Amino acid sequence: IAGITQAPTSQILAAGRRMTLRCTQDMRHNAMYWYRQDLGLGLRLIHYSNTAGTTGKGEVPDGYSVSRANTDDFPLTLASAVPSQTSVYFCASSVEGARYNEQFFGPGTRLTVL
Amino acid sequence: AQSVTQLGSHVSVSEGALVLLRCNYSSSVPPYLFWYVQYPNQGLQLLLKYTTGATLVKGINGFEAEFKKSETSFHLTKPSAHMSDAAEYFCAVTENTGFQKLVFGTGTRLLVSP
Repeated sequence: IAGITQAPTSQILAAGRRMTLRCTQDMRHNAMYWYRQDLGLGLRLIHYSNTAGTTGKGEVPDGYSVSRANTDDFPLTLASAVPSQTSVYFCASSVEGARYNEQFFGPGTRLTVL
Repeated sequence: AQSVTQLGSHVSVSEGALVLLRCNYSSSVPPYLFWYVQYPNQGLQLLLKYTTGATLVKGINGFEAEFKKSETSFHLTKPSAHMSDAAEYFCAVTENTGFQKLVFGTGTRLLVSP
């Protein structure tokens, strides 16, 4: 693989169910990010990690959790999904958290919570 | 805190016409600014970025943007639109609070007609 992969591509989920969105990068980037994209709102940061073993909250963290056990993987978990979490989710990574560093994005996961 | 405003959720141009997508930012510190493009059903891809130095920045696919501090603007232009330019464009600014994160605008969808 080259770049960032996300799984699943899309998912329909019943409210109240637990769901983990997977993200893997092979670029050995230190920093990783999870965004949600909603019409008219652009991309909003959910959680981030500037290096393996550390995570931080973004703009809209409620209802989501992340872990960073190693450099390559950054899963996003919805403990009990709600309809307002219906969105397109993008994972991204960058060399480090420096201000000028480009973020590379995965293809996204389209999640529908009913 | 940093913020970005993109004027116009949709911009329509004819093939061969000038493309102008507007972006204004708010930042209490010198900003680093980015334009990303999103093609249908794909993740975001970096078009260009301004960090320091020359205020006119050239990117991929013939796009360029000019940083104007006095106007707090970073508008994206292309002299002649091509059908393949139809996509959604996002302006972003880095947030200068500890770990550097991107703050995105709400996006502008560019429509190109023959």
